[in-house]
Amino acid sequence: AQSVAQPEDQVNVAEGNPLTVKCTYSVSGNPYLFWYVQYPNRGLQFLLKYITGDNLVKGSYGFEAEFNKSQTSFHLKKPSALVSDSALYFCAVRDPYSNYQLIWGAGTKLIIKP
Amino acid sequence: KAGVTQTPRYLIKTRGQQVTLSCSPISGHRSVSWYQQTPGQGLQFLFEYFSETQRNKGNFPGRFSGRQFSNSRSEMNVSTLELGDSALYLCASSLADKVGNEQFFGPGTRLTVL
Repeated sequence: AQSVAQPEDQVNVAEGNPLTVKCTYSVSGNPYLFWYVQYPNRGLQFLLKYITGDNLVKGSYGFEAEFNKSQTSFHLKKPSALVSDSALYFCAVRDPYSNYQLIWGAGTKLIIKP
Repeated sequence: KAGVTQTPRYLIKTRGQQVTLSCSPISGHRSVSWYQQTPGQGLQFLFEYFSETQRNKGNFPGRFSGRQFSNSRSEMNVSTLELGDSALYLCASSLADKVGNEQFFGPGTRLTVL
């Protein structure tokens, strides 16, 4: 069955350290991959996406993500975390074999400590 | 451009009642999706509409229904409300001319069922 997994409910990182939020997927065919962020008391916002091409994609607020086809992963990264990055992060994938339905991960709460 | 708007922002209903939520997408966006967000269940997909047709549907009971109008505005209806329907209901729109288009989310409607 098609699915997206975010194996960590919460990730804690000290300010200034690099951060990684993990995402793996299981869909048939070539997926379209997305990261969204939800700041406290604010709506969901698009961060970045992978459609095709370079496996490393860059997005808003200094975030980037690497598509790894062999490991079916799309981990979100940032070289130096800010306290303001604390938020809920969602990974999502469009499955081309399910009418391109958008499948969402459960979300990972990122906490950046000063 | 104005963002996705949702009305009302807050709603309190009692069990057994029905409710209608409204979503106005970004101008030019033809796809509208609806999600239910709860602390325990994360982001659950309800349905997606494109050009007045339901393109995808999540695993929700028939009490949950939706529609899209010719101007792309969308409504969702929940009949015979249950306590478990208390949640934040999010609407998202996208251009939908390519499946790689990202979604833009509204602020949500917070529904409380008493």
